[in-house]
Amino acid sequence: GAVVSQHPSRVICKSGTSVKIECRSLDFQATTMFWYRQFPKQSLMLMATSNEGSKATYEQGVEKDKFLINHASLTLSTLTVTSAHPEDSSFYICSAHSPDSNTEAFFGQGTRLTVV
Amino acid sequence: GQNIDQPTEMTATEGAIVQINCTYQTSGFNGLFWYQQHAGEAPTFLSYNVLDGLEEKGRFSSFLSRSKGYSYLLLKELQMKDSASYLCAVLDSNYQLIWGAGTKLIIKP
Repeated sequence: GAVVSQHPSRVICKSGTSVKIECRSLDFQATTMFWYRQFPKQSLMLMATSNEGSKATYEQGVEKDKFLINHASLTLSTLTVTSAHPEDSSFYICSAHSPDSNTEAFFGQGTRLTVV
Repeated sequence: GQNIDQPTEMTATEGAIVQINCTYQTSGFNGLFWYQQHAGEAPTFLSYNVLDGLEEKGRFSSFLSRSKGYSYLLLKELQMKDSASYLCAVLDSNYQLIWGAGTKLIIKP
């Protein structure tokens, strides 16, 4: 199956700093990638849809100025958590749909962000 | 609104069979997925159903009834490594995945 790589897998940062998370499609081109956030014991919450070459589409309630998404190429999308606060601590996951169909989603490994 | 319901937690015995149910109400339907997620890891794909009926893949099977808005994931010959959360997700008319909250499956020896 298609491979999506996410980096870093874990990051600890101080309050007020910014953290960048990368999501790469390794063996296919992804015009659209999705960024999710997952709190403990809860399901995935879609934050935004990242579109190559254009602005991301954010879900209601997600601050676009806080969660900056850049999809500069067909294989790379980045999520930057700006001025991070402890409440931003969470598990962030990216995904892209299979290039063979518009169905199956392949996920990155996820990033565990801890803001201290 | 869109809604996916599945039990929060289930417990089963090693070697046994367990069925995890999922009911959904979504704006349109383009298929239903089951994903397995171990704690601290990203979800991994298990199955995809878009037509009614049973899809079998080794120890795992998935069933869909579109008229009832219902699916189940059947796990046979349970192993300890099957302890995980199982997520039901529906692809809606906009090809957006709507996720259930997940069912935590606990396997006991």
